[in-house]
Amino acid sequence: SYELTQPLSVSVALGQTARITCGGNNIGGRNVHWYQQKPGQAPVVVIYRDTNRPSGIPERFSGSNSGNTATLTISRAQGGDEADYYCQVWDSSTYVEFGGGTKLTVL
Amino acid sequence: QVQLQESGPGLVKPSQTLSLTCTVSGGSIKNGGYYWSWIRQHPGKGLEWIGYIFDSGSAFYNPSLKSRVSVSVDTSKNQFSLNLSSVAAADTAVYYCARVVLHRTSSVTFDSWGQGTLVTVSS
Repeated sequence: SYELTQPLSVSVALGQTARITCGGNNIGGRNVHWYQQKPGQAPVVVIYRDTNRPSGIPERFSGSNSGNTATLTISRAQGGDEADYYCQVWDSSTYVEFGGGTKLTVL
Repeated sequence: QVQLQESGPGLVKPSQTLSLTCTVSGGSIKNGGYYWSWIRQHPGKGLEWIGYIFDSGSAFYNPSLKSRVSVSVDTSKNQFSLNLSSVAAADTAVYYCARVVLHRTSSVTFDSWGQGTLVTVSS
């Protein structure tokens, strides 16, 4: 199987930039998708295919992917951005892999 | 805008089969060009993909669950279903249904989700 590694938690000061990483062997060669999940709610895709934002997702959310690390960047972090964030890729053997998730805290 | 809604028993006894249905509204499963998926989340844990199915009935499963899982589709009712057999306490989770976008790059994104339903396995 293909393993995705995320930090358990990330903290960011209000108004600053948060970066959440997703590590995997040559992950830069795969498409990475990112989901935001707030407590008691279903996940919502915030970035798909590395860098694309679905309609309705603020421009503050951006993504990058190169080498062994994909990164979700949240600029000008707000209290409403507090959530769990999951990365996800497709694998030819296991089809779908999710990262373990990162809890974002806005201080 | 497509909406998905899970339904089914909230309590299942050990060794029995967990059965859930997802009803899709605002869009047709048939000829829609999407896959339709089940994903679960154990309490306080991360997301685990279970399987997905195309409107043709072609299905793909998580290898770790494959021996116990079956996903089916009923295009006449615009529904798809999950059966998970021989359940145990470890199958207690929130179960989500979701629509799957298949990208040309052989990647998939879950772009619409149901609200999720908690299924508890207990005697």
